[in-house]
Amino acid sequence: EVLLVESGGGFVQPGGSLRLSCAASGFTFSSYAMNWVRQAPGKGLEWVSAISGSGGSTYYADSVKGRFTISRDNSKNTLYMQMNSLRDEDTAVYYCAKALTTTCHGCYMDVWGKGTTVTVS
Amino acid sequence: EIVLTQSPATLSLSPGERATLSCRASQSVASYLAWYQQKPGQAPRLLIYDASNRATGIPARFSGSGSGTDFTLTISSLEPEDFAVYYCQQRNNWPLTFGPGTKVDI
Repeated sequence: EVLLVESGGGFVQPGGSLRLSCAASGFTFSSYAMNWVRQAPGKGLEWVSAISGSGGSTYYADSVKGRFTISRDNSKNTLYMQMNSLRDEDTAVYYCAKALTTTCHGCYMDVWGKGTTVTVS
Repeated sequence: EIVLTQSPATLSLSPGERATLSCRASQSVASYLAWYQQKPGQAPRLLIYDASNRATGIPARFSGSGSGTDFTLTISSLEPEDFAVYYCQQRNNWPLTFGPGTKVDI
């Protein structure tokens, strides 16, 4: 079974830092780009960041560029998001999501974790 | 950034009825558009990709059409489990963007 499990969410003060993790299983992790997508309370989905399968290419939404860093450890089948200089507006459920195919970086997302909640206050 | 607009914001229908949801892009995204379903407290689920291809395990009552800037998701006959929020997403340009969603309720 293909599974993604996020962790690392919690409460943090504005200006603080947090590192999210996403443990993957059931597929060849290194072959697929991965994404972080967030959802503020009662709001829609916002794509945050993506990383290629090798980790050599990364992409960010303007809202987090320069503050968040996406990375991955393919030996541990784990995706990360280092979040610095957190703001109130970063409060959201953060989902990790797997790319649909092995051939795209910016792609659709076919497997999602249950999410981890980040509260900045 | 490509802005996606969805209409209507809310669609009130009954089981068995046909649902037609619209997604419009601020510039052409070719056929690089997907639709997702999200139920309360759950992660999104991919329904349709490349405008008209059903994802694995998605029932045939879900269909997608369109290209360029105008896209449609059709649910031919609503089942009780279809009442949810539906989002479109484009992958033609960075950043990836989602529409604001259409809520399908009873």
